[in-house]
Amino acid sequence: QKEVEQNSGPLSVPEGAIASLNCTYSDRGSQSFFWYRQYSGKSPELIMFIYSNGDKEDGRFTAQLNKASQYVSLLIRDSQPSDSATYLCAVNTGFQKLVFGTGTRLLVSP
Amino acid sequence: DTGVSQDPRHKITKRGQNVTFRCDPISEHNHLYWYRQTLGQGPEFLTYFQNEAQLEKSRLLSDRFSAERPKGSFSTLEIQRTEQGDSAMYLCASSLVGALGQPQHFGDGTRLSIL
Repeated sequence: QKEVEQNSGPLSVPEGAIASLNCTYSDRGSQSFFWYRQYSGKSPELIMFIYSNGDKEDGRFTAQLNKASQYVSLLIRDSQPSDSATYLCAVNTGFQKLVFGTGTRLLVSP
Repeated sequence: DTGVSQDPRHKITKRGQNVTFRCDPISEHNHLYWYRQTLGQGPEFLTYFQNEAQLEKSRLLSDRFSAERPKGSFSTLEIQRTEQGDSAMYLCASSLVGALGQPQHFGDGTRLSIL
């Protein structure tokens, strides 16, 4: 079992729709959770981070964490074509290093 | 606030050559990380520094790899006797100190191609 799992996609949504990206993790001791956006050929860019169960909102982005289910998600409201990218879920298990999933490719069509 | 800076952006070299990459973290960040990313995969952790101390190394970091962070500022990652499998994007990240994992901010990466 991989430590951090994501559906590779692509996830296709029309412009203006809500995109829902999901991630599960295996280490129950995981303490902090991050979403990065990565455009093709570029480096990861931090989008959101969350430490506590529940929702955390920042603009069009909402991160959701459920530690009991070992599940973290990212919602993107009013999706734009510029949101088309690979979204990486990363988990910090308490040893400073991040463990990344393989990413979900999001395609937003005009 | 300048971000994480990496140099060079691209490196093409022949198999067997040595290469060295440099990373300058965000100035107030004393945690520095190196990751490696291959096509279709997420970044994989290589090593971590707190100030000048190298506190963790992945088993991915074979004896051909060495990283330093003298004086706790910039860091270098050297690969000796490069192999085809070393071709990847090498990413540096930095973060602040914190009880919980602080967000790590990545540089633009160094793309290494081994001929």
